Amino acid sequence: GQNIDQPTEMTATEGAIVQINCTYQTSGFNGLFWYQQHAGEAPTFLSYNVLDGLEEKGRFSSFLSRSKGYSYLLLKELQMKDSASYLCAYMDSNYQLIWGAGTKLIIKP
Amino acid sequence: SQTIHQWPATLVQPVGSPLSLECTVEGTSNPNLYWYRQAAGRGLQLLFYSVGIGQISSEVPQNLSASRPQDRQFILSSKKLLLSDSGFYLCAWSVPGSDTGELFFGEGSRLTVL
Repeated sequence: GQNIDQPTEMTATEGAIVQINCTYQTSGFNGLFWYQQHAGEAPTFLSYNVLDGLEEKGRFSSFLSRSKGYSYLLLKELQMKDSASYLCAYMDSNYQLIWGAGTKLIIKP
Repeated sequence: SQTIHQWPATLVQPVGSPLSLECTVEGTSNPNLYWYRQAAGRGLQLLFYSVGIGQISSEVPQNLSASRPQDRQFILSSKKLLLSDSGFYLCAWSVPGSDTGELFFGEGSRLTVL
């Protein structure tokens, strides 16, 4: 099967930092994606990691460890507009994306 | 710039009725095209993808079909809808041979089968 896991829901406070984890198991790997999806809308691309390490893009950073099958998305200085679902997906050996179920992030004032 | 548009945005259909969702991409040539379904609490499920006109790959056997009559047009169809076909359908495109394989999604179509 296709194994990719992320928490169902997380809650954080405006202005704080939150880390959303994603673990996966696959024999073929061609990169790890994070997408943001506001309720009722289409997903939008946030980040892509293919090598180990941290990729920083403004308030958002994404980390990958291929040996551990682990990634996280770090959101800093949280804003109310960051309330959304965050989708983790890896690209398999056939270059198809395998998606997690998404993490619903709730930001409280 | 490239844009992707799909319609209708919302659809309520009775069981056994036909379905047609349409997706068009502008500002690019020979894109890879995809149809996904998103069910509550589950990851995006790839239904069909296409690398060119008339070339359709089906990922999940079901009562849905897809067609690509033109380079930038992708259509999702069904002859007879089932209750289980309800969901949020997303069309997407990507650049062939892209280093990142980033997907660009349409606005989504919410289908409710009653």
